[in-house]
Amino acid sequence: ILNVEQSPQSLHVQEGDSTNFTCSFPSSNFYALHWYRWETAKSPEALFVMTLNGDEKKKGRISATLNTKEGYSYLYIKGSQPEDSATYLCAAPKGDTGRRALTFGSGTRLQVQP
Amino acid sequence: EAGVVQSPRYKIIEKKQPVAFWCNPISGHNTLYWYRQNLGQGPELLIRYENEEAVDDSQLPKDRFSAERLKGVDSTLKIQPAELGDSAVYLCASSPERDRGYEQYFGPGTRLTVT
Repeated sequence: ILNVEQSPQSLHVQEGDSTNFTCSFPSSNFYALHWYRWETAKSPEALFVMTLNGDEKKKGRISATLNTKEGYSYLYIKGSQPEDSATYLCAAPKGDTGRRALTFGSGTRLQVQP
Repeated sequence: EAGVVQSPRYKIIEKKQPVAFWCNPISGHNTLYWYRQNLGQGPELLIRYENEEAVDDSQLPKDRFSAERLKGVDSTLKIQPAELGDSAVYLCASSPERDRGYEQYFGPGTRLTVT
């Protein structure tokens, strides 16, 4: 069984604050780690797919790091804006091929107050 | 490029009634997934197709759920009869055949409420 854990469960920040969330996963048999952003009533949107230990990826004000040896990934948002309000999900494939289904964490629900 | 299309977006039914959800994946994507997301949890796989073949349906409650992807393109997920516990968001996703680091592209989901 693949366990993917996320913390915190929810977060309320003020506009302009920087914030970060954690995703932990089993470090054995690592294949890839996905981050998604899911806004209410919209499709989950892929943010990053990370595969290499030490990887750091950036998309605008959002960045993510990956540590496969200790089994965690951080997602950072710099200068949060109200439009960043969403649920952020991380996920890992069940098996060792790219097409296996993803096992998701429960998500971190971010609310940014203007 | 059109994204993953799902319909309906919302559905309210009484328990014991049947319901069906439809998904059209991104053109050319061979792999199609159905996930269910219960309130406060992450999405969980129900079934995965490679073209028209269901290759992982171990999590599909087969007594009441069925799915098909007859021509390897669009897919239908059915529940008959629905139970109160089936209230959830049903997500469809697709992915291309690609090596390591693939992405899954999600539709907006169908929010099912069983009363």
